[in-house]
Amino acid sequence: DVKVTQSSRYLVKRTGEKVFLECVQDMDHENMFWYRQDPGLGLRLIYFSYDVKMKEKGDIPEGYSVSREKKERFSLILESASTNQTSMYLCASSLIRGQYQETQYFGPGTRLLVL
Amino acid sequence: AQSVTQLDSQVPVFEEAPVELRCNYSSSVSVYLFWYVQYPNQGLQLLLKYLSGSTLVKGINGFEAEFNKSQTSFHLRKPSVHISDTAEYFCAVSDYSEGGSYIPTFGRGTSLIVHP
Repeated sequence: DVKVTQSSRYLVKRTGEKVFLECVQDMDHENMFWYRQDPGLGLRLIYFSYDVKMKEKGDIPEGYSVSREKKERFSLILESASTNQTSMYLCASSLIRGQYQETQYFGPGTRLLVL
Repeated sequence: AQSVTQLDSQVPVFEEAPVELRCNYSSSVSVYLFWYVQYPNQGLQLLLKYLSGSTLVKGINGFEAEFNKSQTSFHLRKPSVHISDTAEYFCAVSDYSEGGSYIPTFGRGTSLIVHP
């Protein structure tokens, strides 16, 4: 079974802090994604990566950056956390690009509270 | 880019009753459609997907969905729900990005609430 793990289930940070959210997958998937989930808004794509050191902006990249130094690990960085970044963050991975049957496998989520 | 509309934000239903969760997408030449389920305090997991072939797709836990190209719909159904089906359900459509990957666009979700 594919396993996607996220470094924390719950995080509390202060405004202005630098925040790192880490995601690791164990199935050698090429694609990795970061979403935020807010009530009534569904999932919104922040960034995705289709290869090591490659990244592409999603729908809401402002205020976020990402890092993919190794294939299995994809980090989301909040350079200076703000209260409007309080949310549930979900990481996902999927098989190599170009294959249309790209089922995504999700981690359990990190619930971030910025005070 | 694709858009996905889940017409109901919340669907209350009694246990053992049938249920339909509605999903409509914007038209495209090639469409790849997914339903995911999110149980409380968990990530999403795949229920079923349509890639090609038969328009009636069967998934896990007794769910099925029908792809209707003329109505651009992909509604999810279950003939008899259980309390354990209480969850958030997301419809998603894959779109082709410039980087060469199929990036899903998600609907806003439908909360299925099953009452005893």
